[in-house]
Amino acid sequence: AQRVTQPEKLLSVFKGAPVELKCNYSYSGSPELFWYVQYSRQRLQLLLRHISRESIKGFTADLNKGETSFHLKKPFAQEEDSAMYYCALVVSNFGNEKLTFGTGTRLTIIP
Amino acid sequence: NAGVTQTPKFQVLKTGQSMTLQCAQDMNHNSMYWYRQDPGMGLRLIYYSASEGTTDKGEVPNGYNVSRLNKREFSLRLESAAPSQTSVYFCASHPLDSGRSTTEAFFGQGTRLTVV
Repeated sequence: AQRVTQPEKLLSVFKGAPVELKCNYSYSGSPELFWYVQYSRQRLQLLLRHISRESIKGFTADLNKGETSFHLKKPFAQEEDSAMYYCALVVSNFGNEKLTFGTGTRLTIIP
Repeated sequence: NAGVTQTPKFQVLKTGQSMTLQCAQDMNHNSMYWYRQDPGMGLRLIYYSASEGTTDKGEVPNGYNVSRLNKREFSLRLESAAPSQTSVYFCASHPLDSGRSTTEAFFGQGTRLTVV
């Protein structure tokens, strides 16, 4: 069965310092991975997806199939980055799909 | 375009009471999900529906039932609420494009449920 692991429940980083939120997955097929973010008092929303190879709000994430990882990185943290971050894996099987989340990491940026 | 709408936003139940959480999406998405969010546990899947007329158990289905009324609506029912079901519940919908899920899921604003 598919599984997503985020080893850090809490992460505090000083403003301007680099940020890395870890995500590891287990899935025997070809994974589709996402990062979702939940800002205070807001609903969850997509931050980025691995297939797009995009940079959103300065964040990037690279899929490493050898290490089964999809870590989220940002070179210089900003105060507005404080939020709850979830790594997610989508498994699709003949039209039956499931979206599985990790346990989340609460990122706090220290001014 | 409202996206995903959940009702109610807040609810307090007594142990043993029943209630239904409603979820509707107006994006013509095939897949819909119910999650619960608990501190330190992240988002755990309760039930999901890959398409109208189908439902499947997720990680934590015990104590819940669901109904995919039509393509728009996916409700979650607690038949006999227990304090362990105190949580924040999120509904989500996701398009399904030729079996590949490369687009994003959309979430409701959440329902904060307290069972006393």
